[in-house]
Amino acid sequence: GQQLNQSPQSMFIQEGEDVSMNCTSSSIFNTWLWYKQDPGEGPVLLIALYKAGELTSNGRLTAQFGITRKDSFLNISASIPSDVGIYFCAGQHLYNFNKFYFGSGTKLNVKP
Amino acid sequence: NAGVMQNPRHLVRRRGQEARLRCSPMKGHSHVYWYRQLPEEGLKFMVYLQKENIIDESGMPKERFSAEFPKEGPSILRIQQVVRGDSAAYFCASSPRDRTNTGELFFGEGSRLTVL
Repeated sequence: GQQLNQSPQSMFIQEGEDVSMNCTSSSIFNTWLWYKQDPGEGPVLLIALYKAGELTSNGRLTAQFGITRKDSFLNISASIPSDVGIYFCAGQHLYNFNKFYFGSGTKLNVKP
Repeated sequence: NAGVMQNPRHLVRRRGQEARLRCSPMKGHSHVYWYRQLPEEGLKFMVYLQKENIIDESGMPKERFSAEFPKEGPSILRIQQVVRGDSAAYFCASSPRDRTNTGELFFGEGSRLTVL
């Protein structure tokens, strides 16, 4: 099946540092979505991207839809303790838009 | 979580019993997805439904699992004769979809199934 490679798997950073994570795919995607999941909760949509090259911000979060349509990254600036959680990327395949494929997640830990 | 309602939040079943998980999508959404998540893992696609239609069930196990989304009422994920390996969090998501078929997925809080 379709694989999304998300990296890094986990990160340990100091409060105030910037964070970057990314997802790559062997296939072309139509849509990239970034989610955050807190323990015991459902994933919450952070940013949605629809066009190659698109750069979108949501507060301290910035995400980009790669030019090749096969990758996306998420940056978090000036991290704070409540940024702790698992971040997932998700992509909607260009020719099979019935499914949204998910990365395996990046677990973020922020030390105060 | 954007109005997708799932219940129950927690369900405990003994091996061999049946589990029924319900999902009401966001208002105006007619597309429902079910995903399974094991601890410390990502989300695995199970099934995609529209009202009264199963569009894609390629992620569903061949036996014991079924899903429906009737004309009236919530979507139901049904697991018959549960086994310990069915213990997981099951998430429902709904999508508005537009004419171009791009869209966003909005998730519910999940139903956590524990099989004893």
